[in-house]
Amino acid sequence: QQQVKQSPQSLIVQKGGISIINCAYENTAFDYFPWYQQFPGKGPALLIAIRPDVSEKKEGRFTISFNKSAKQFSLHIMDSQPGDSATYFCAATSYNTDKLIFGTGTRLQVFP
Amino acid sequence: DAGITQSPRHKVTETGTPVTLRCHQTENHRYMYWYRQDPGHGLRLIHYSYGVKDTDKGEVSDGYSVSRSKTEDFLLTLESATSSQTSVYFCAIKGTDSYNEQFFGPGTRLTVL
Repeated sequence: QQQVKQSPQSLIVQKGGISIINCAYENTAFDYFPWYQQFPGKGPALLIAIRPDVSEKKEGRFTISFNKSAKQFSLHIMDSQPGDSATYFCAATSYNTDKLIFGTGTRLQVFP
Repeated sequence: DAGITQSPRHKVTETGTPVTLRCHQTENHRYMYWYRQDPGHGLRLIHYSYGVKDTDKGEVSDGYSVSRSKTEDFLLTLESATSSQTSVYFCAIKGTDSYNEQFFGPGTRLTVL
C-alpha cells in the first residue's frame, strides 16, 4: 500500500514533442506529490509538486495532472528539449509522516 | 545542493571492510535522510534522523547503521561491506515547509569489490 508505481521505465521523445510520465498510488492518506529531476552524476532536484485539492499545476513547460479518484498523477513536459534529458522520479507522502515514497524512475531522452 | 555536502564522492573498497559515508549540512535542518539508488529500484530509504541522536530505520536498513552526534553531520556506516551494497548513496534534508520537501546532496558512488 506504500508503493508508488511509475511508468514508463524509459522514454524517447523528439524535440518539440510532449513527454508524459505516469504514476499511481494506493495509499489514500497521501496528500503531497512531488516530482524530482535528476541529471547524470547529480542528486535529484525538486521540479514541481501538487497537493490533491487541485487537479492540475503548471510551471512553465512542466505540468502535473492529478486524478484523485483514480489515484494517479502524471508529469507532462511540453515542447520537450534535449536539455530535459534526465531521469524523473515521482514521489508521494502524507502530512503525518516524515518519509517520501519514490517511484522507480523514468529515463527521458529527447533527441534533436 | 541546499548546503549539503557528501564525502567521499567516490569510494572503492573490498568486501568485509567497514565504510563510513558522511553527510554535512550548513543550514541547521532537523531532518536528514540516507537513500541508496539502484537501477530499477529508484530511491530507497536506508535510515533517517529527526534530531541529534534520534534516528529510525527505513525500508532497506539491514547491514547499515547511522549516527548523528551533532545537527550538521549524519554518518552512514557499512559495518562489513558486501557487493550488494555497491550503489550510489544520497543524503537529503527536509526543508522547512510543512510537507516533506526534501533536498538532496550530490551523492557518493560506492563500489564494493
